[in-house]
Amino acid sequence: QVQLVQSGAEVKKPGASVTVSCKASGYTFTGYYMHWVRQAPGQGLEWMGRINCNTGVTNYAQKFQGRVTMTRDTSTSTAYMEMSRLRSDDTAVYYCARVAEYSTNAFNIWGQGTMVTVSS
Amino acid sequence: QSVLTQPPSASGTPGQRVTISCSGSRSNIGGNTVSWYQQLPGTAPKLLIYSNNQRPSGVPDRFSGSKSGTSASLAISGLQSEDEADYYCATWDDSLVGCVFGGGTKLTVL
Repeated sequence: QVQLVQSGAEVKKPGASVTVSCKASGYTFTGYYMHWVRQAPGQGLEWMGRINCNTGVTNYAQKFQGRVTMTRDTSTSTAYMEMSRLRSDDTAVYYCARVAEYSTNAFNIWGQGTMVTVSS
Repeated sequence: QSVLTQPPSASGTPGQRVTISCSGSRSNIGGNTVSWYQQLPGTAPKLLIYSNNQRPSGVPDRFSGSKSGTSASLAISGLQSEDEADYYCATWDDSLVGCVFGGGTKLTVL
Protein backbone atom coordinates (compact mmCIF):
# COMPACT_ATOMS: atom_id res chain seq x y z
CA GLN A 1 0.00 0.00 0.00
CA VAL A 2 1.01 3.60 -0.47
CA GLN A 3 2.75 4.94 2.60
CA LEU A 4 5.23 7.47 3.86
CA VAL A 5 7.42 6.50 6.80
CA GLN A 6 9.33 9.25 8.58
CA SER A 7 12.40 9.16 10.77
CA GLY A 8 12.21 9.27 14.54
CA ALA A 9 11.95 12.08 17.04
CA GLU A 10 14.84 14.50 17.41
CA VAL A 11 16.03 16.76 20.23
CA LYS A 12 18.31 19.58 19.18
CA LYS A 13 19.92 22.63 20.77
CA PRO A 14 19.24 26.13 19.46
CA GLY A 15 21.44 26.94 16.51
CA ALA A 16 21.82 23.32 15.44
CA SER A 17 20.47 21.65 12.30
CA VAL A 18 18.08 18.76 11.88
CA THR A 19 17.27 16.47 8.98
CA VAL A 20 13.99 14.59 8.76
CA SER A 21 13.57 11.79 6.25
CA CYS A 22 10.45 10.47 4.57
CA LYS A 23 10.62 7.10 2.84
CA ALA A 24 7.94 6.45 0.24
CA SER A 25 6.64 3.09 -0.87
CA GLY A 26 3.81 1.66 -2.91
CA TYR A 27 3.93 4.18 -5.74
CA THR A 28 6.25 5.75 -8.31
CA PHE A 29 8.26 8.15 -6.18
CA THR A 30 9.30 10.38 -9.06
CA GLY A 31 5.71 10.88 -10.20
CA TYR A 32 4.73 13.26 -7.41
CA TYR A 33 5.80 16.29 -5.47
CA MET A 34 6.58 15.76 -1.78
CA HIS A 35 5.37 18.52 0.52
CA TRP A 36 6.41 19.31 4.07
CA VAL A 37 4.00 20.67 6.67
CA ARG A 38 4.69 21.42 10.32
CA GLN A 39 2.54 21.83 13.39
CA ALA A 40 3.75 23.50 16.57
CA PRO A 41 2.27 22.22 19.84
CA GLY A 42 -1.37 23.27 20.09
CA GLN A 43 -1.15 25.21 16.83
CA GLY A 44 -2.37 24.80 13.27
CA LEU A 45 -0.82 23.37 10.13
CA GLU A 46 1.88 25.35 8.34
CA TRP A 47 3.08 24.59 4.81
CA MET A 48 6.85 24.71 4.49
CA GLY A 49 7.51 23.86 0.88
CA ARG A 50 7.67 21.13 -1.70
CA ILE A 51 10.08 19.25 -3.90
CA ASN A 52 9.50 17.77 -7.32
CA CYS A 53 10.75 14.25 -6.70
CA ASN A 54 11.55 13.83 -10.40
CA THR A 55 13.54 16.98 -11.13
CA GLY A 56 14.51 18.01 -7.61
CA VAL A 57 13.10 21.51 -8.14
CA THR A 58 11.94 23.06 -4.90
CA ASN A 59 9.50 25.76 -3.77
CA TYR A 60 9.77 27.08 -0.23
CA ALA A 61 7.40 29.20 1.79
CA GLN A 62 8.98 32.63 2.13
CA LYS A 63 9.23 32.19 5.88
CA PHE A 64 11.60 29.25 5.49
CA GLN A 65 13.71 30.37 2.55
CA GLY A 66 17.40 30.29 3.42
CA ARG A 67 16.88 28.03 6.42
CA VAL A 68 15.22 24.95 4.92
CA THR A 69 16.58 22.65 2.25
CA MET A 70 14.52 19.89 0.69
CA THR A 71 16.21 17.11 -1.22
CA ARG A 72 15.39 13.65 -2.44
CA ASP A 73 17.15 10.38 -3.25
CA THR A 74 15.39 8.62 -6.08
CA SER A 75 17.41 5.45 -5.57
CA THR A 76 15.83 4.93 -2.16
CA SER A 77 12.55 6.79 -2.75
CA THR A 78 13.30 9.05 0.19
CA ALA A 79 12.72 12.75 0.63
CA TYR A 80 14.61 14.87 3.14
CA MET A 81 13.93 18.14 4.90
CA GLU A 82 16.87 19.87 6.56
CA MET A 83 16.36 22.92 8.77
CA SER A 84 19.31 24.93 10.03
CA ARG A 85 19.78 27.55 12.74
CA LEU A 86 17.06 25.98 14.84
CA ARG A 87 15.16 28.12 17.34
CA SER A 88 12.86 27.15 20.18
CA ASP A 89 9.83 28.11 18.10
CA ASP A 90 10.80 25.45 15.55
CA THR A 91 9.65 22.87 18.08
CA ALA A 92 6.91 21.08 16.17
CA VAL A 93 5.73 17.90 14.51
CA TYR A 94 6.99 17.80 10.94
CA TYR A 95 4.98 15.91 8.34
CA CYS A 96 5.73 14.91 4.78
CA ALA A 97 2.68 14.65 2.55
CA ARG A 98 1.94 13.59 -1.01
CA VAL A 99 -0.78 14.99 -3.20
CA ALA A 100 -3.62 12.81 -4.36
CA GLU A 101 -3.63 11.15 -7.77
CA TYR A 102 -6.94 12.88 -8.45
CA SER A 103 -6.06 16.38 -7.25
CA THR A 104 -2.76 18.25 -7.17
CA ASN A 105 -4.23 20.50 -4.51
CA ALA A 106 -5.03 17.90 -1.84
CA PHE A 107 -2.82 15.76 0.35
CA ASN A 108 -4.18 12.26 0.78
CA ILE A 109 -1.02 10.50 1.94
CA TRP A 110 0.74 11.71 5.08
CA GLY A 111 3.72 10.48 7.01
CA GLN A 112 3.26 9.68 10.68
CA GLY A 113 5.02 12.87 11.73
CA THR A 114 8.38 13.53 13.33
CA MET A 115 8.59 15.46 16.58
CA VAL A 116 11.48 17.91 16.63
CA THR A 117 12.19 19.51 19.98
CA VAL A 118 14.55 22.47 20.17
CA SER A 119 15.72 23.11 23.71
CA SER A 120 18.87 24.18 25.45
CA GLN B 1 -2.17 34.89 11.49
CA SER B 2 -3.34 32.41 8.87
CA VAL B 3 -4.02 33.42 5.27
CA LEU B 4 -7.32 31.55 5.38
CA THR B 5 -9.74 32.47 8.17
CA GLN B 6 -11.69 29.84 10.07
CA PRO B 7 -13.68 30.15 13.30
CA PRO B 8 -11.57 28.78 16.15
CA SER B 9 -14.38 26.64 17.49
CA ALA B 10 -17.71 25.08 16.59
CA SER B 11 -20.06 22.77 18.41
CA GLY B 12 -23.19 20.72 18.00
CA THR B 13 -25.16 17.91 19.52
CA PRO B 14 -25.34 14.37 18.12
CA GLY B 15 -27.48 14.25 14.99
CA GLN B 16 -27.20 17.97 14.31
CA ARG B 17 -25.76 19.62 11.22
CA VAL B 18 -22.71 21.85 11.67
CA THR B 19 -20.94 24.07 9.16
CA ILE B 20 -17.40 25.43 9.30
CA SER B 21 -16.45 28.40 7.17
CA CYS B 22 -13.16 29.26 5.49
CA SER B 23 -12.58 32.74 4.11
CA GLY B 24 -9.80 33.75 1.75
CA SER B 25 -9.11 36.01 -1.19
CA ARG B 26 -8.90 36.06 -4.97
CA SER B 27 -5.33 34.80 -4.96
CA ASN B 28 -6.18 31.63 -3.05
CA ILE B 29 -9.75 30.36 -2.71
CA GLY B 30 -10.96 32.64 -5.48
CA GLY B 31 -8.76 30.97 -8.06
CA ASN B 32 -8.06 27.48 -6.76
CA THR B 33 -9.81 24.44 -5.39
CA VAL B 34 -10.22 23.91 -1.66
CA SER B 35 -9.53 20.82 0.40
CA TRP B 36 -10.56 20.00 3.95
CA TYR B 37 -8.79 17.89 6.57
CA GLN B 38 -9.81 16.24 9.81
CA GLN B 39 -7.19 15.84 12.51
CA LEU B 40 -7.78 13.70 15.56
CA PRO B 41 -5.50 14.26 18.58
CA GLY B 42 -2.02 12.87 18.09
CA THR B 43 -2.59 11.81 14.50
CA ALA B 44 -1.75 13.10 11.04
CA PRO B 45 -4.42 15.03 9.15
CA LYS B 46 -6.86 13.04 7.03
CA LEU B 47 -8.23 14.30 3.71
CA LEU B 48 -12.00 14.77 3.89
CA ILE B 49 -12.84 16.89 0.86
CA TYR B 50 -10.89 17.78 -2.29
CA SER B 51 -11.71 19.93 -5.31
CA ASN B 52 -14.18 21.94 -3.20
CA ASN B 53 -16.84 19.26 -2.89
CA GLN B 54 -15.44 15.82 -3.71
CA ARG B 55 -15.07 13.07 -1.14
CA PRO B 56 -12.24 10.51 -1.29
CA SER B 57 -13.26 6.90 -1.14
CA GLY B 58 -14.14 5.91 2.40
CA VAL B 59 -15.24 9.32 3.65
CA PRO B 60 -18.88 9.21 4.76
CA ASP B 61 -21.37 11.26 2.77
CA ARG B 62 -22.21 13.08 6.01
CA PHE B 63 -19.29 15.30 5.08
CA SER B 64 -19.80 17.79 2.25
CA GLY B 65 -17.99 20.82 0.95
CA SER B 66 -18.88 23.88 -1.06
CA LYS B 67 -17.21 26.99 -2.41
CA SER B 68 -18.50 30.36 -3.50
CA GLY B 69 -16.23 33.17 -4.60
CA THR B 70 -13.50 33.59 -2.01
CA SER B 71 -15.12 31.47 0.68
CA ALA B 72 -15.64 27.78 1.29
CA SER B 73 -17.45 25.73 3.85
CA LEU B 74 -17.51 22.24 5.26
CA ALA B 75 -20.78 20.76 6.43
CA ILE B 76 -21.15 17.77 8.72
CA SER B 77 -24.63 16.32 9.02
CA GLY B 78 -25.81 13.68 11.46
CA LEU B 79 -23.08 14.74 13.87
CA GLN B 80 -21.44 11.87 15.76
CA SER B 81 -19.20 11.83 18.80
CA GLU B 82 -16.29 10.57 16.71
CA ASP B 83 -16.47 13.75 14.60
CA GLU B 84 -14.95 15.65 17.51
CA ALA B 85 -11.65 16.81 16.01
CA ASP B 86 -9.81 19.75 14.49
CA TYR B 87 -10.74 20.71 10.93
CA TYR B 88 -8.56 22.61 8.48
CA CYS B 89 -9.21 24.12 5.06
CA ALA B 90 -6.40 24.50 2.55
CA THR B 91 -5.74 25.72 -0.96
CA TRP B 92 -2.99 27.03 -3.21
CA ASP B 93 -2.14 30.72 -3.15
CA ASP B 94 -1.01 32.15 -6.50
CA SER B 95 0.55 35.26 -4.94
CA LEU B 96 2.49 33.40 -2.26
CA VAL B 97 3.23 30.52 -4.66
CA GLY B 98 2.52 28.00 -2.00
CA CYS B 99 -0.11 26.09 -0.13
CA VAL B 100 -2.00 27.89 2.64
CA PHE B 101 -4.01 26.48 5.52
CA GLY B 102 -6.74 27.91 7.67
CA GLY B 103 -6.05 28.31 11.35
CA GLY B 104 -8.20 25.31 12.17
CA THR B 105 -11.58 24.83 13.85
CA LYS B 106 -11.99 22.71 16.94
CA LEU B 107 -15.31 20.87 16.73
CA THR B 108 -16.90 19.80 19.99
CA VAL B 109 -19.77 17.33 20.07
CA LEU B 110 -21.84 18.22 23.12
